[in-house]
Amino acid sequence: EVQLLQSGPEVKKPGTTVKISCKVSGFNLTDHYMHWVQQAPGKGLEWVGLVDAQDGDIIYADKFQGRVTISADTSLDTAYLELRGLRSEDTALYYCARIKPGAHWFDPWGQGTLVTVSS
Amino acid sequence: EVVLTQSPGTLSLSPGERATLSCRASQTFSSSVVAWYQQKPGQAPRLLIYGVSNRATGIPDRFSGGGSGTDFTLTISRLEPEDSAVYYCQQYGSSLTFGGGTKVEIK
Repeated sequence: EVQLLQSGPEVKKPGTTVKISCKVSGFNLTDHYMHWVQQAPGKGLEWVGLVDAQDGDIIYADKFQGRVTISADTSLDTAYLELRGLRSEDTALYYCARIKPGAHWFDPWGQGTLVTVSS
Repeated sequence: EVVLTQSPGTLSLSPGERATLSCRASQTFSSSVVAWYQQKPGQAPRLLIYGVSNRATGIPDRFSGGGSGTDFTLTISRLEPEDSAVYYCQQYGSSLTFGGGTKVEIK
């Protein structure tokens, strides 16, 4: 069974860094693109970026370029999202989601990781 | 960036009625790269439709997608109480963007 299991909720102070994880099972991380999507409380979905674990390519949405690092560890079958210089507006659910090569849709999605930034 | 505008913001209908959700793009792109998702409170989004009109595995046939160019629609032919959710469109023809969502309420 294909599954994406994300790490637990985080509470961080402004200006600090958080790194959340997404462990995949049921498929090879190197055979797919792993994406991250942000959802602020009560808001819609916003694409953060993706990693191609096979060749190491990483693409970020313009809004997140510079403050976010996406990575993958194929030995652990895990993708990561790191956000630096946290501010209150980074408070959100962050989802990992898979896209197969040649496809354009997300399936499946992780359960989401809530990051709360508060002093 | 392709901006996807979904309308209406909220749709309130009775069980058995037909729901038509719109997703309009700010510019044209490869039109086969549109997907729709359903999100219920406290849950991750779930894929409903991909490639404009293909139902994902396990999705009831009362859900259908259509459109081309810059105008796409998701239709729920006969609303069930469990269809109460927020629905998002998404494109991946030019970068990757989501629409703002349409909330479907069942009376």
